[in-house]
Amino acid sequence: EVQLVESGGGLVQPGRSLRLSCAASGFSFGDYAMTWVRQAPGKGPEWVGLIRNNAYGGTTEYVASVKGRFTISRDDSKSIVYLQMNSLRSEDTGVYYCTLMDREWGKGTTVTVSS
Amino acid sequence: DIQMTQSPSSLSASVGDRVTITCQASQHIGTYLNWYQQKPGKAPKLLIYDVFNLKTGVPSRFSGGGSGTHFTFTISSLQPEDIATYYCQQYDNLPYTFGQGTKLDSK
Repeated sequence: EVQLVESGGGLVQPGRSLRLSCAASGFSFGDYAMTWVRQAPGKGPEWVGLIRNNAYGGTTEYVASVKGRFTISRDDSKSIVYLQMNSLRSEDTGVYYCTLMDREWGKGTTVTVSS
Repeated sequence: DIQMTQSPSSLSASVGDRVTITCQASQHIGTYLNWYQQKPGKAPKLLIYDVFNLKTGVPSRFSGGGSGTHFTFTISSLQPEDIATYYCQQYDNLPYTFGQGTKLDSK
């Protein structure tokens, strides 16, 4: 059974940084791209970015609103994908989900950016 | 970015009703379309991928159709547990984008 467990969320001041983790199990992690999706309170989901598997160079893609501030990385030896978030803004507030190719989702971790 | 426009934004229906939601893409997306169900406080759950393929375990009362830029999602006979918000998502072009959602509630 696929399991995705996000962690690392919390309350952070604007301009600060936070790193989210997503621990994966139940599938061959290194064979798949992983994505991050977020959802602001009362809004629909917003795709944040993806990291391809190493067979595709482990390259990353991001939505324009986070490009240059957020970085996705992966540790295939630990089956973990990370989302490093820098220069956080109030509009980054929401629940952050990691997904296995949008087919399986974790329960999410909440990020609140506020002074 | 590709814009995904869902209609209606909200819908009231009774148990047993046939319910249809539409999703219009701002450009051709082939068959790269997902449909999700989301209940309050929960993660979105994939129901349909590649326009019409049901994810394993999803009841057959759910179906999807369409092609190109116009897509539909249908519940053939609404059940109480189907009360939720539904989203379409395109994954043809980066960034992958979602519709604004259709909130389905009980009449």
